[in-house]
Amino acid sequence: QVQLVQSGPEVKKPGASVKVSCKASGYIISNTDISWVRQAPGQGLEWLGWISSENGNMDYARSVQGRVTVTTDTSTSTAYMELRGLRSDDTAIYFCARGVRGGPNDVFDLWGQGTMVTVSS
Amino acid sequence: DIVMTQSPDSLTVSLGERATINCKSSQSILFSSENKNYLAWYRQTPGQPPKLLIYWASTRGSGVPDRFSGSGSGTDFTLTISSLQAEDVAVYYCQQYYNAPPTFGGGTKVEI
Repeated sequence: QVQLVQSGPEVKKPGASVKVSCKASGYIISNTDISWVRQAPGQGLEWLGWISSENGNMDYARSVQGRVTVTTDTSTSTAYMELRGLRSDDTAIYFCARGVRGGPNDVFDLWGQGTMVTVSS
Repeated sequence: DIVMTQSPDSLTVSLGERATINCKSSQSILFSSENKNYLAWYRQTPGQPPKLLIYWASTRGSGVPDRFSGSGSGTDFTLTISSLQAEDVAVYYCQQYYNAPPTFGGGTKVEI
């Protein structure tokens, strides 16, 4: 079964870091680009960043630039998103998503189940 | 960044009736040389991730029922559900992928 399986919920204090994983099964993660999208409680969707399967290039949203890093480990077919300097407004569900065409401006045909990250003192 | 604006914010439709959702982009997302609109639609049911319904503004995704159709070009787009089913109670999002960063509309909540 082709799917993206993400790590479990996280609770962090302001200023801490979180690293969310996204493991691909049923297909080879290195064949497709991965983006990360978040959704604050009751809100819409916000694209955060992208990593290329072809050359490892990355691109990030201005809203999190400098605080976010996306990586992939092809040996374990897993993508990661690390967000540093957490603030209360980073509280959200974080999704990984598979790009169809390649590039940061992509359409997403497969999504992880989401990881809830709560930032609270 | 391209701003995507959806309307209405919510709508109530009877089972078996038609639902129509609109999406407007702040600039054209038609790539003229390809004659393709870089517009996708997703459905998100409660507690689930988004599911791709439509891409290239009018092409249905894999396994998507034909009651879903997309239309429009340039800056104005529409998602139509021809005969609403119970499983269509969800929030629907449009998304442009013409430019980075990809951006989403604010969502339209469809209720019965």
